[in-house]
Amino acid sequence: GDSVTQTEGQVALSEEDFLTIHCNYSASGYPTLFWYVQYPGEGPQLLFRASRDKEKGSSRGFEATYDKGTTSFHLRKASVQESDSAVYYCALSDPNTGYQNFYFGKGTSLTVIP
Amino acid sequence: EAAVTQSPRSKVAVTGGKVTLSCHQTNNHDYMYWYRQDTGHGLRLIHYSYVADSTEKGDIPDGYKASRPSQENFSLILELASLSQTAVYFCASSDWDWGSQNTLYFGAGTRLSVL
Repeated sequence: GDSVTQTEGQVALSEEDFLTIHCNYSASGYPTLFWYVQYPGEGPQLLFRASRDKEKGSSRGFEATYDKGTTSFHLRKASVQESDSAVYYCALSDPNTGYQNFYFGKGTSLTVIP
Repeated sequence: EAAVTQSPRSKVAVTGGKVTLSCHQTNNHDYMYWYRQDTGHGLRLIHYSYVADSTEKGDIPDGYKASRPSQENFSLILELASLSQTAVYFCASSDWDWGSQNTLYFGAGTRLSVL
């Protein structure tokens, strides 16, 4: 079945550090890939998505490139800020399932130390 | 702006009691979902619905029922609450069409503590 595996647990960085959160997926065909961000006390919200091989999604300085060859969608940011502290979820939706469903990774908690 | 509203925002329940979590969306979306969030497990799908008066089981439906009386409203029901159901619950909505880039819109969550 479809699945998403991402960097698990907690990541602690200092301000202006480079961020990479790894995301690999398993699905048939061309799923749509997402990054969601969840700030404390809120629900997850879409950061960006991509639906084609080599497509780059980006928002608020974060970016990820859809790579079908390596089945990856790694989240990167060149210089993190304290305000980026949040939980990040990689997810996919697979139209081949015949109904709309979303598969989430287990989440990565990012803490940025000022 | 898409809007999904959950109530209550937090609740304390007793073991064996009945709990109802409510969700209302103004997005005019066909699909609605209930997810459970636990540390170490991320977001897990409990039930979903794609039309009023019909619900479907997700990945972890045991101990939960769902009700979709209208397109806008979707409830999650715990008939006999248990300690293991202590978690944060999120409702979400989305539209769906072949080939379109669908997005889940989440509510702010309900923190449920079963004692």
